[in-house]
Amino acid sequence: GAGVSQSPSNKVTEKGKDVELRCDPISGHTALYWYRQSLGQGLEFLIYFQGNSAPDKSGLPSDRFSAERTGGSVSTLTIQRTQQEDSAVYLCATLQRGGRGEQFFGPGTRLTVL
Amino acid sequence: GENVEQHPSTLSVQEGDSAVIKCTYSDSASNYFPWYKQELGKRPQLIIDIRSNVGEKKDQRIAVTLNKTAKHFSLHITETQPEDSAVYFCAASMIGGGSNYKLTFGKGTLLTVNP
Repeated sequence: GAGVSQSPSNKVTEKGKDVELRCDPISGHTALYWYRQSLGQGLEFLIYFQGNSAPDKSGLPSDRFSAERTGGSVSTLTIQRTQQEDSAVYLCATLQRGGRGEQFFGPGTRLTVL
Repeated sequence: GENVEQHPSTLSVQEGDSAVIKCTYSDSASNYFPWYKQELGKRPQLIIDIRSNVGEKKDQRIAVTLNKTAKHFSLHITETQPEDSAVYFCAASMIGGGSNYKLTFGKGTLLTVNP
């Protein structure tokens, strides 16, 4: 099957607008993670979903960020009232629990807030 | 929580030379240490990983060593080639049991291999 996919690949928005980023995981991967990668920086953990368990939201930088995962498959990351400092590449990764531990990354969404 | 430090932030080598990137971690419960390679504009991809029950692992020109006592691990690339040029990230995680398999990443090393 296909790997992790994300859409859109690029998103340019104006400060103050809301944006939604989408992640389609590898079929059968029950764990899903969102990371943020700012220019020249490492990958910053945002949120984690595992099956029907409550998500681990400990990495979300503010209450403007939220995410959901419907039916244990597709996930959307929503950023409300975007700020310029939200500009980054947002990466989704999925994993098959019980496997070797490898996370498979999507291509990312490059968000630019003007 | 876990904290991963990675050095150097940039590394420039001549083609054919070896490259070494080092990472330290803080949480002794971490037991899984992957290395990801990210080429410009591309997604991170796993190149090698090691579990805490092993001290060294090798895959062709790439090797990783782990010192659990000192809580550090290193990536070694031998006979570097221009196509090895990329950003390399180390990470640490606890896998198994009820853990969340969450990866904590280092800030990355930009490796440039000069022909």
